[in-house]
Amino acid sequence: EAGVAQSPRYKIIEKRQSVAFWCNPISGHATLYWYQQILGQGPKLLIQFQNNGVVDDSQLPKDRFSAERLKGVDSTLKIQPAKLEDSAVYLCASSPGADTSHNYGYTFGSGTRLTVV
Amino acid sequence: RKEVEQDPGPFNVPEGATVAFNCTYSNSASQSFFWYRQDCRKEPKLLMSVYSSGNEDGRFTAQLNRASQYISLLIRDSKLSDSATYLCVVNGGVSGGYNKLIFGAGTRLAVHP
Repeated sequence: EAGVAQSPRYKIIEKRQSVAFWCNPISGHATLYWYQQILGQGPKLLIQFQNNGVVDDSQLPKDRFSAERLKGVDSTLKIQPAKLEDSAVYLCASSPGADTSHNYGYTFGSGTRLTVV
Repeated sequence: RKEVEQDPGPFNVPEGATVAFNCTYSNSASQSFFWYRQDCRKEPKLLMSVYSSGNEDGRFTAQLNRASQYISLLIRDSKLSDSATYLCVVNGGVSGGYNKLIFGAGTRLAVHP
């Protein structure tokens, strides 16, 4: 079974620029999550999709971050404009359904490491 | 109070040692608990789920104390390859009808020869 695919692996941008990350979940997984992991901290949930609908974006800084999952499969996360404090690893995860994460946890992609200078 | 709290460590132990990590959580309604392992510059990977009765997987034993809202992970006979950060993960309740997982900041383990 192919894992969660993310690209790019690394990105360096200047502050106030924009950036986009892409995620393709495991085939058939209905639930997709974007997490932000700042160095030395645990992953923090930014947004959760069930198919193509958002079920939780309470911690997404909506003034600069946006995400979509238009066809209920792959997803993009965008930051515009970026700030220095956005430097982090952005992790995408998927699970077969929101209820199964209750029992089995998530599978993460390898992440995108963003550096804002 | 943080939703999931862990001692950040690092725990520096010799090979063959037994080491235990603890974690506390704030949401008494949480129903699911996990330990994830994260190697340096890698993504978190599920190590094991934590069941009410406690569970064991080889050298790893997980325990849950609901009354104290406390989870533990015991590693016996530590190997060099066990060096990593161990993340305590708790079901953070239901939002919009769906569960979400809350991650602690992790405990770093360094096993030396």
